[in-house]
Amino acid sequence: QQQVKQSPQSLIVQKGGISIINCAYENTAFDYFPWYQQFPGKGPALLIAIRPDVSEKKEGRFTISFNKSAKQFSLHIMDSQPGDSATYFCAATPLGNTPLVFGKGTRLSVIA
Amino acid sequence: EAGVVQSPRYKIIEKKQPVAFWCNPISGHNTLYWYRQNLGQGPELLIRYENEEAVDDSQLPKDRFSAERLKGVDSTLKIQPAELGDSAVYLCASSARQDGELFFGEGSRLTVL
Repeated sequence: QQQVKQSPQSLIVQKGGISIINCAYENTAFDYFPWYQQFPGKGPALLIAIRPDVSEKKEGRFTISFNKSAKQFSLHIMDSQPGDSATYFCAATPLGNTPLVFGKGTRLSVIA
Repeated sequence: EAGVVQSPRYKIIEKKQPVAFWCNPISGHNTLYWYRQNLGQGPELLIRYENEEAVDDSQLPKDRFSAERLKGVDSTLKIQPAELGDSAVYLCASSARQDGELFFGEGSRLTVL
């Protein structure tokens, strides 16, 4: 049973455009929601994370929007650049000692 | 500061052969994870260590997979015998505490022929 459902599977965005990736979860015990970025041949790296006490978190061009009632969260990349081309994973876990559960990933391609 | 170091980066073996992967976490990180990432998928947890104790190994296929972290620092993941379906990237990660940020290594890509 997949605990975190991510969409779309792949995304092509023009340079300067907005990239939007969505995730949905079922487990109401989840209370930590990070996004990881992975380049080919590299391990995932934390990009940005949110806890459910806020509905939005912004760091530079990256924003997480969180909808607790809908059990959904999304990543927005503003002014997308070719260097943002990577695979993005959403993840979730209950706060504490339970490890992260990852979505299946979204392959983003930003074209000039 | 050095990141999580894994070796080998690539390994190609025949099915039924054994293989081992090594991980050295970030210094001072007590929590160590082994994840498996199949092609086009997200990482899936195999085992988690707190110091030298395996605290979550429910997803580790124990008939053929084993892991150890004897002194609570570096760790080894072994597969014996390997099967075709074991072809994947094996990722090691560490964190300073149980609910802290995970830092991943670059992974060990296994191909079983």
